Amino acid sequence: AQKITQTQPGMFVQEKEAVTLDCTYDTSDPSYGLFWYKQPSSGEMIFLIYQGSYDQQNATEGRYSLNFQKARKSANLVISASQLGDSAMYFCAIRTQGAQKLVFGQGTRLTINP
Amino acid sequence: KAGVTQTPRYLIKTRGQQVTLSCSPISGHRSVSWYQQTPGQGLQFLFEYFSETQRNKGNFPGRFSGRQFSNSRSEMNVSTLELGDSALYLCASSSFGGDTDTQYFGPGTRLTVL
Repeated sequence: AQKITQTQPGMFVQEKEAVTLDCTYDTSDPSYGLFWYKQPSSGEMIFLIYQGSYDQQNATEGRYSLNFQKARKSANLVISASQLGDSAMYFCAIRTQGAQKLVFGQGTRLTINP
Repeated sequence: KAGVTQTPRYLIKTRGQQVTLSCSPISGHRSVSWYQQTPGQGLQFLFEYFSETQRNKGNFPGRFSGRQFSNSRSEMNVSTLELGDSALYLCASSSFGGDTDTQYFGPGTRLTVL
């Protein structure tokens, strides 16, 4: 079975600062994908970034980057130059080979202060 | 390309009634997954359909069912509603449902059971 742990229930960051959201995972499957989603108060889950277990380089998408440490089973999301619009819930999720489902962590509520 | 659409966006039902939720995936996507999100349990996988076949099912009672049509649109049905079924129901679509395949979510249907 797969498991995602997000240890930060809430984070408060000043606008324009960088922020790191923690995510650790547990799986015995050698092939898996790690995903980060953003959920604003409206409820829609917005895909941010993906990292494959065999990817050699850390994924980046604009202001988002993923600090992937495979040996530590860690996949932290880094948001550079935070903006007020980044305030939302952030979920880390894993999907393993052969499994059609995403397994989510409990999420981190990020609040950006002006 | 249009995103994932879900109808209705909001529903209010009473205990014992049944409800049907609809999901239209991104054009060309053949995999549709359903998730239930509640404050207490977080995001939980309900089921996944690919080419009209259910490939995986989460740990939910038989009152929860779904189907997929030949155009990849999907419906989920909850019969004999209970208060605990109040939740945000999210539908997600992806190309083929593999571990490297990104799931894109719709805006969700917020169900309230009175």
